[in-house]
Amino acid sequence: EVVLTQSPGTLSLSPGERATLSCRASQSITRNYIAWYQQTPGQAPRVLFYGASTRATGIPDRFSGGGSGTDFTLTISSLEPEDSAIYYCHHYSSSPTFGGGTRVEIK
Amino acid sequence: QVQLVQSGAEVKKPGSSVRVSCKTSGDTFDTYAFSWVRQAPGQGLEWMGRIVPLLDVVTSAQSFQDRVTITADKPTNTTYMELRRLRPDDTAVYYCARRGRDGPFDSWGQGTLVIVSS
Repeated sequence: EVVLTQSPGTLSLSPGERATLSCRASQSITRNYIAWYQQTPGQAPRVLFYGASTRATGIPDRFSGGGSGTDFTLTISSLEPEDSAIYYCHHYSSSPTFGGGTRVEIK
Repeated sequence: QVQLVQSGAEVKKPGSSVRVSCKTSGDTFDTYAFSWVRQAPGQGLEWMGRIVPLLDVVTSAQSFQDRVTITADKPTNTTYMELRRLRPDDTAVYYCARRGRDGPFDSWGQGTLVIVSS
């Protein structure tokens, strides 16, 4: 089973700033089977990216995903107030795992 | 547009069982895989297992293998998750999620809160 470690635990930034979230895997991820989800309070997660860098339908282009091997990133180029959420990375394999999440707070 | 609608909140005693349902509408059912994911209060996401209704193949996470049963009823497009021998630390929101054609969980139910308390 692949262990995903997300950092930092919490990011506190101002609107317009850039957020960079990290997801590190315990072993190399084949075919970049990494997805990112956004979860706001009381809601189910929403997929943002899959295949590490393919944006899901309807996701604004201020969000970008990247990485390969064991290191993956989610970047929000210019934070908006509605980006306040917890973000999870996910290895969608035969034995799926999730990272512990990064909370993004907007000051 | 696919929609996954789950059954309502439950309050259970320790040692009992709970069954949560997840009904799919708006898309084909049996060719997808449906997973169950739980989230304890203030915690992250934990995958419990999945079913592929077309094949009736079930895979469970090792940590739940002896306590969880996942089934699907194809005529009603519904998947079920039963968790047995409940403990207070099973208190969580339980989600069903569909694995999309590209791999990630592209559709989620609204979540079902299960509280385990004496």
